[in-house]
Amino acid sequence: EPEVTQTPSHQVTQMGQEVILRCVPISNHLYFYWYRQILGQKVEFLVSFYNNEISEKSEIFDDQFSVERPDGSNFTLKIRSTKLEDSAMYFCASRVGGTTYEQYFGPGTRLTVT
Amino acid sequence: DAKTTQPPSMDCAEGRAANLPCNHSTISGNEYVYWYRQIHSQGPQYIIHGLKNNETNEMASLIITEDRKSSTLILPHATLRDTAVYYCIVRSLSNFGNEKLTFGTGTRLTIIP
Repeated sequence: EPEVTQTPSHQVTQMGQEVILRCVPISNHLYFYWYRQILGQKVEFLVSFYNNEISEKSEIFDDQFSVERPDGSNFTLKIRSTKLEDSAMYFCASRVGGTTYEQYFGPGTRLTVT
Repeated sequence: DAKTTQPPSMDCAEGRAANLPCNHSTISGNEYVYWYRQIHSQGPQYIIHGLKNNETNEMASLIITEDRKSSTLILPHATLRDTAVYYCIVRSLSNFGNEKLTFGTGTRLTIIP
């Protein structure tokens, strides 16, 4: 069964460094998402992406964040200058589109900012 | 999207049916009820969704009351692998761009051997 994959599974970075989290959505899916979950807290929406542009973003998704679909398979989340409070699990999700609204999530990348 | 209320935790014996309730009294006519679960710290997993009719798939059944103000997710024969946090999410599908899933705190279901 096709699934969303994410790399790396764990990323440790120093405060102020740039990180890129990578996702490979399910191949025929057209809508892509990033969510994050700080340890012990709720899963929070960051951004949705369709047709090579952001369709919706949350207040969390400020100028330090960006998303890109650099080729036909990858979907990336970049954090330009990481802060301690960016430490969280980051989940990528995708959905096929049309009248199918279920989102399928990847296993997540645990980002630790020191 | 309408607000949902779920019990914070529940236990269920292995092999029995797990019935997880969700209250969504302010649901409007075009809003669907979705259920996801999160096992440990893995990514949320889609389970099932419905509008007003009861639904069943290979994972679970969803029972929605006639007035649509509440629903119950049923795992017919719970196994230890069903231990997870279960999220009931109500969302409208009428607005393109209203893509996000808004997760609450869910119900932590523990299956007891």
